Amino acid sequence: DQQVKQNSPSLSVQEGRISILNCDYTNSMFDYFLWYKKYPAEGPTFLISISSIKDKNEDGRFTVFLNKSAKHLSLHIVPSQPGDSAVYFCAASHGGSQGNLIFGKGTKLSVKP
Amino acid sequence: KAGVTQTPRYLIKTRGQQVTLSCSPISGHRSVSWYQQTPGQGLQFLFEYFSETQRNKGNFPGRFSGRQFSNSRSEMNVSTLELGDSALYLCASSARTGYGYTFGSGTRLTVV
Repeated sequence: DQQVKQNSPSLSVQEGRISILNCDYTNSMFDYFLWYKKYPAEGPTFLISISSIKDKNEDGRFTVFLNKSAKHLSLHIVPSQPGDSAVYFCAASHGGSQGNLIFGKGTKLSVKP
Repeated sequence: KAGVTQTPRYLIKTRGQQVTLSCSPISGHRSVSWYQQTPGQGLQFLFEYFSETQRNKGNFPGRFSGRQFSNSRSEMNVSTLELGDSALYLCASSARTGYGYTFGSGTRLTVV
Protein backbone atom coordinates (compact mmCIF):
# COMPACT_ATOMS: atom_id res chain seq x y z
CA ASP A 1 0.00 0.00 0.00
CA GLN A 2 1.63 3.17 -1.24
CA GLN A 3 1.42 5.93 1.35
CA VAL A 4 2.97 8.61 -0.87
CA LYS A 5 1.88 8.76 -4.49
CA GLN A 6 3.17 10.73 -7.44
CA ASN A 7 0.66 9.88 -10.12
CA SER A 8 2.46 11.53 -13.02
CA PRO A 9 5.55 9.56 -14.03
CA SER A 10 6.67 12.34 -16.33
CA LEU A 11 6.10 16.00 -17.10
CA SER A 12 7.34 18.11 -19.98
CA VAL A 13 7.46 21.91 -19.73
CA GLN A 14 8.80 24.73 -21.87
CA GLU A 15 11.70 26.78 -20.51
CA GLY A 16 10.50 29.86 -18.66
CA ARG A 17 7.07 28.41 -17.87
CA ILE A 18 5.83 27.02 -14.57
CA SER A 19 6.38 23.37 -13.61
CA ILE A 20 3.87 21.89 -11.17
CA LEU A 21 4.66 18.53 -9.64
CA ASN A 22 1.99 16.85 -7.55
CA CYS A 23 2.05 14.43 -4.65
CA ASP A 24 -0.74 12.76 -2.66
CA TYR A 25 -0.45 10.96 0.65
CA THR A 26 -2.72 8.71 2.66
CA ASN A 27 -1.25 8.73 6.17
CA SER A 28 -2.65 11.60 8.23
CA MET A 29 0.16 11.10 10.77
CA PHE A 30 2.73 12.55 8.36
CA ASP A 31 3.93 15.85 9.76
CA TYR A 32 6.82 16.79 7.51
CA PHE A 33 7.10 16.73 3.75
CA LEU A 34 10.16 17.09 1.55
CA TRP A 35 11.02 17.32 -2.13
CA TYR A 36 14.20 15.84 -3.50
CA LYS A 37 15.71 16.14 -6.97
CA LYS A 38 17.73 13.34 -8.49
CA TYR A 39 20.00 13.22 -11.50
CA PRO A 40 21.07 9.87 -12.99
CA ALA A 41 23.99 8.22 -11.18
CA GLU A 42 23.69 10.64 -8.25
CA GLY A 43 21.94 10.49 -4.91
CA PRO A 44 18.84 12.60 -4.24
CA THR A 45 19.46 16.24 -3.38
CA PHE A 46 17.22 18.00 -0.90
CA LEU A 47 15.24 20.86 -2.44
CA ILE A 48 12.62 22.18 -0.08
CA SER A 49 10.46 21.02 2.80
CA ILE A 50 7.29 21.98 4.62
CA SER A 51 5.94 21.25 8.05
CA SER A 52 2.31 20.18 8.41
CA ILE A 53 1.60 23.34 10.42
CA LYS A 54 2.21 25.45 7.30
CA ASP A 55 0.49 25.57 3.95
CA LYS A 56 3.25 27.19 1.91
CA ASN A 57 7.01 27.41 1.88
CA GLU A 58 9.06 29.32 -0.64
CA ASP A 59 12.74 29.19 -1.55
CA GLY A 60 13.78 31.12 -4.63
CA ARG A 61 12.17 29.58 -7.70
CA PHE A 62 10.74 26.72 -5.66
CA THR A 63 7.47 26.84 -3.73
CA VAL A 64 5.78 23.95 -1.98
CA PHE A 65 2.07 24.06 -1.17
CA LEU A 66 0.39 21.75 1.32
CA ASN A 67 -3.34 21.06 1.44
CA LYS A 68 -3.84 18.89 4.52
CA SER A 69 -7.55 18.41 4.07
CA ALA A 70 -6.95 16.98 0.61
CA LYS A 71 -3.73 15.22 1.68
CA HIS A 72 -2.04 16.82 -1.29
CA LEU A 73 1.12 18.77 -1.85
CA SER A 74 2.65 20.32 -4.90
CA LEU A 75 5.99 21.75 -5.95
CA HIS A 76 5.99 24.81 -8.20
CA ILE A 77 9.10 25.78 -10.12
CA VAL A 78 8.99 29.23 -11.65
CA PRO A 79 10.54 29.91 -14.09
CA SER A 80 11.57 26.45 -15.22
CA GLN A 81 15.08 26.05 -16.58
CA PRO A 82 16.65 23.23 -18.64
CA GLY A 83 18.91 22.43 -15.66
CA ASP A 84 15.81 21.56 -13.66
CA SER A 85 15.36 18.46 -15.81
CA ALA A 86 15.62 15.57 -13.34
CA VAL A 87 13.48 13.14 -11.39
CA TYR A 88 11.65 14.77 -8.48
CA PHE A 89 10.69 12.76 -5.43
CA CYS A 90 8.15 13.70 -2.84
CA ALA A 91 8.82 12.28 0.65
CA ALA A 92 7.04 12.30 3.98
CA SER A 93 7.90 11.56 7.57
CA HIS A 94 6.18 11.48 10.95
CA GLY A 95 7.21 11.72 14.54
CA GLY A 96 9.71 14.45 13.72
CA SER A 97 12.18 12.05 12.15
CA GLN A 98 13.54 12.42 8.64
CA GLY A 99 15.72 9.37 9.08
CA ASN A 100 12.84 7.22 7.94
CA LEU A 101 11.33 8.82 4.87
CA ILE A 102 8.47 7.44 2.80
CA PHE A 103 9.11 8.33 -0.82
CA GLY A 104 6.85 8.58 -3.82
CA LYS A 105 8.01 6.90 -7.03
CA GLY A 106 9.08 10.13 -8.62
CA THR A 107 8.15 12.36 -11.54
CA LYS A 108 10.59 12.87 -14.37
CA LEU A 109 10.61 16.54 -15.35
CA SER A 110 11.89 17.58 -18.76
CA VAL A 111 12.33 21.28 -19.39
CA LYS A 112 12.70 22.02 -23.09
CA PRO A 113 14.65 25.04 -24.32
CA LYS B 1 33.77 19.28 3.14
CA ALA B 2 33.59 15.75 1.73
CA GLY B 3 30.12 14.39 1.09
CA VAL B 4 28.68 11.00 1.89
CA THR B 5 30.93 8.35 0.35
CA GLN B 6 29.61 4.98 -0.68
CA THR B 7 31.80 2.12 -1.83
CA PRO B 8 31.90 0.38 -4.13
CA ARG B 9 30.00 2.36 -6.77
CA TYR B 10 29.17 -0.73 -8.81
CA LEU B 11 28.99 -4.37 -7.87
CA ILE B 12 27.99 -7.56 -9.68
CA LYS B 13 27.20 -10.64 -7.61
CA THR B 14 25.75 -14.08 -8.26
CA ARG B 15 22.52 -15.37 -6.76
CA GLY B 16 23.10 -16.97 -3.39
CA GLN B 17 26.17 -14.92 -2.58
CA GLN B 18 26.35 -12.27 0.08
CA VAL B 19 27.43 -8.66 -0.24
CA THR B 20 28.60 -5.87 2.05
CA LEU B 21 28.18 -2.22 1.14
CA SER B 22 29.95 0.60 2.91
CA CYS B 23 28.97 4.16 3.74
CA SER B 24 31.19 6.89 5.17
CA PRO B 25 29.05 9.79 6.40
CA ILE B 26 29.99 13.44 6.30
CA SER B 27 32.51 14.19 9.03
CA GLY B 28 30.69 14.89 12.28
CA HIS B 29 27.47 13.23 11.18
CA ARG B 30 26.35 10.53 13.57
CA SER B 31 23.08 9.50 11.95
CA VAL B 32 23.00 7.22 8.91
CA SER B 33 20.03 5.90 6.94
CA TRP B 34 19.96 3.38 4.12
CA TYR B 35 17.49 3.17 1.23
CA GLN B 36 16.93 0.81 -1.68
CA GLN B 37 15.89 2.21 -5.03
CA THR B 38 14.35 -0.02 -7.70
CA PRO B 39 12.37 0.94 -10.82
CA GLY B 40 9.26 -0.85 -9.57
CA GLN B 41 9.21 0.13 -5.89
CA GLY B 42 11.02 3.46 -5.93
CA LEU B 43 13.00 4.50 -2.84
CA GLN B 44 12.36 2.32 0.17
CA PHE B 45 13.72 2.79 3.68
CA LEU B 46 15.98 0.03 4.99
CA PHE B 47 17.58 1.14 8.28
CA GLU B 48 18.43 4.14 10.40
CA TYR B 49 21.39 4.22 12.78
CA PHE B 50 22.51 6.73 15.36
CA SER B 51 25.58 6.30 17.55
CA GLU B 52 25.90 2.61 16.67
CA THR B 53 22.25 1.88 17.54
CA GLN B 54 19.59 0.91 15.04
CA ARG B 55 16.70 3.30 15.57
CA ASN B 56 14.36 2.21 12.79
CA LYS B 57 14.08 -0.67 10.37
CA GLY B 58 12.07 -0.87 7.19
CA ASN B 59 9.98 -3.74 5.93
CA PHE B 60 12.71 -5.92 4.48
CA PRO B 61 13.50 -9.60 5.12
CA GLY B 62 16.10 -10.65 7.65
CA ARG B 63 18.62 -11.20 4.84
CA PHE B 64 19.16 -7.45 5.00
CA SER B 65 21.20 -6.30 7.97
CA GLY B 66 23.31 -3.35 8.90
CA ARG B 67 25.55 -1.90 11.51
CA GLN B 68 27.26 1.32 12.46
CA PHE B 69 30.74 1.65 13.89
CA SER B 70 32.07 4.00 16.55
CA ASN B 71 33.44 6.32 13.85
CA SER B 72 29.88 6.54 12.41
CA ARG B 73 30.78 4.60 9.28
CA SER B 74 28.04 2.15 8.39
CA GLU B 75 27.80 -1.10 6.49
CA MET B 76 24.85 -3.03 5.19
CA ASN B 77 24.92 -6.69 4.36
CA VAL B 78 22.63 -8.74 2.15
CA SER B 79 22.92 -12.50 2.42
CA THR B 80 21.68 -15.15 0.02
CA LEU B 81 21.27 -12.66 -2.80
CA GLU B 82 18.22 -12.86 -5.04
CA LEU B 83 17.74 -11.38 -8.51
CA GLY B 84 15.23 -8.94 -7.01
CA ASP B 85 17.93 -7.44 -4.80
CA SER B 86 19.39 -5.74 -7.85
CA ALA B 87 19.01 -2.07 -7.03
CA LEU B 88 20.69 1.21 -6.22
CA TYR B 89 21.48 1.29 -2.50
CA LEU B 90 21.65 4.79 -1.08
CA CYS B 91 23.07 5.97 2.18
CA ALA B 92 22.25 9.32 3.80
CA SER B 93 23.79 11.02 6.81
CA SER B 94 22.87 13.79 9.20
CA ALA B 95 24.49 15.57 12.11
CA ARG B 96 21.68 14.47 14.35
CA THR B 97 18.94 11.95 13.96
CA GLY B 98 15.92 13.11 12.13
CA TYR B 99 17.09 16.24 10.28
CA GLY B 100 18.97 17.44 7.25
CA TYR B 101 19.91 14.22 5.53
CA THR B 102 22.48 14.33 2.73
CA PHE B 103 22.57 11.41 0.32
CA GLY B 104 25.55 9.68 -1.21
CA SER B 105 25.66 8.68 -4.89
CA GLY B 106 24.80 5.08 -4.08
CA THR B 107 26.07 1.60 -4.85
CA ARG B 108 24.57 -0.05 -7.92
CA LEU B 109 24.22 -3.76 -7.14
CA THR B 110 23.45 -6.20 -9.93
CA VAL B 111 22.63 -9.79 -9.06
CA VAL B 112 22.99 -12.29 -11.91
